Amino acid sequence: DVVMTQSPLSLPVTLGQSASISCRSSQSLVHSDGSTYLHWFQQRPGQSPRRLIYRVSDRDPGVPDRFSGSGSGTDFTLKISRVEAEDAGVYYCVQGTHWPRTFGQGTKVEIK
Amino acid sequence: EVQLLESGGDLVQPGGSLRLSCAASQFTFSNYAMAWVRQAPGKGLEWISTISTDIRDTYYADFVKGRFTVSRDNSKNTLSLQMNSLRAEDTAVYYCAKGWQMESWGQGTLVTVSS
Repeated sequence: DVVMTQSPLSLPVTLGQSASISCRSSQSLVHSDGSTYLHWFQQRPGQSPRRLIYRVSDRDPGVPDRFSGSGSGTDFTLKISRVEAEDAGVYYCVQGTHWPRTFGQGTKVEIK
Repeated sequence: EVQLLESGGDLVQPGGSLRLSCAASQFTFSNYAMAWVRQAPGKGLEWISTISTDIRDTYYADFVKGRFTVSRDNSKNTLSLQMNSLRAEDTAVYYCAKGWQMESWGQGTLVTVSS
């Protein structure tokens, strides 16, 4: 199975500052069709997960442009610019290239 | 807006069975693969299973193979998960999700396995 490793696991961030979360995979996430199926989810307290970023860097509808994704191969990053209070929660990366699908452990973002 | 409504969660004894359902609306259900993902209390997300649009292809996590069965009824816009031989470690909120890449999720249904 592909192991997804996120860091840090806890991230205190000051309002208005930027935050970055790393996600590394144990194998390349480039699919045979040429796409890289690495996605980012946000889970606010008490809510179900919401996809923010798909295929590394594409934002889902309604996602603020403060959220951006980058990376390739096995190394990926989610960046949150100008953090707002509503960004508090746990962020997960997930790979959709290989079976079984696997999630990172989650990164808890706390707003200071 | 896509709507996914899970149901069927309950308290069940170890070794028991349960069937979860996910009612889909506001999109053409038969055009999308569907998935189940779970989250144990205070823990992270764990993919369980995905089923193709035509039911020909199903995929499972190793920890549920032989115990859980995913199915769908495209005429009723419903996804199901039959869970047998339940264990305490299956206690979790179970979510259904739309698409191969899990683009939209429901609110989840809680399954508690305990004596």
